[in-house]
Amino acid sequence: AQSVTQPDIHITVSEGASLELRCNYSYGATPYLFWYVQSPGQGLQLLLKYFSGDTLVQGIKGFEAEFKRSQSSFNLRKPSVHWSDAAEYFCAVGPSGGSYIPTFGRGTSLIVHP
Amino acid sequence: NAGVTQTPKFQVLKTGQSMTLQCAQDMNHEYMSWYRQDPGMGLRLIHYSVGAGITDQGEVPNGYNVSRSTTEDFPLRLLSAAPSQTSVYFCASSPTLSGTSVYEQFFGPGTRLTVL
Repeated sequence: AQSVTQPDIHITVSEGASLELRCNYSYGATPYLFWYVQSPGQGLQLLLKYFSGDTLVQGIKGFEAEFKRSQSSFNLRKPSVHWSDAAEYFCAVGPSGGSYIPTFGRGTSLIVHP
Repeated sequence: NAGVTQTPKFQVLKTGQSMTLQCAQDMNHEYMSWYRQDPGMGLRLIHYSVGAGITDQGEVPNGYNVSRSTTEDFPLRLLSAAPSQTSVYFCASSPTLSGTSVYEQFFGPGTRLTVL
């Protein structure tokens, strides 16, 4: 069975600082990998996705993520964080059996200090 | 397009009551699903549907029922509410079942449910 681990429950950064959110996965084959963002009181929005090819993927809002097969990781990065980036971030891995649904991590809450 | 809509936004129930959470999408998406989100648990799949008339169970289906009579609507029914069902419920849809598009889910804004 596939699984996703986000080791950090909370991350605090200063506005303008760089950001890296960690994600490790367990899956028997080449995974599909995703990052979603959830702003307060909102549903989830897809930030970026990896299916195959270039291991460095670009997403919306200036985010990028790098797939590292040797480390089973798909960490999310942003070079300069804005106050509006404060949100909950979820890593997900798919496919999930026959359900076509990714398995989600427990989430990392990003706090941005001015 | 309105995208994925959910009603109500908030609901308080007493133990044993039943209710239906509504979900609708106007994007002609084949795939729809229901999740619940609990603190520290991420999202857990309740039920999903690959098209009108076809539904299946997810990770945590007990106490919930679904049907899909049209492409647009995918209501979630709580048969006899319990305090353990206090949660935030999200509906999501995906455009196709083929290739990788199925993973690009669009989420509704959620329904916050409290069962007393």
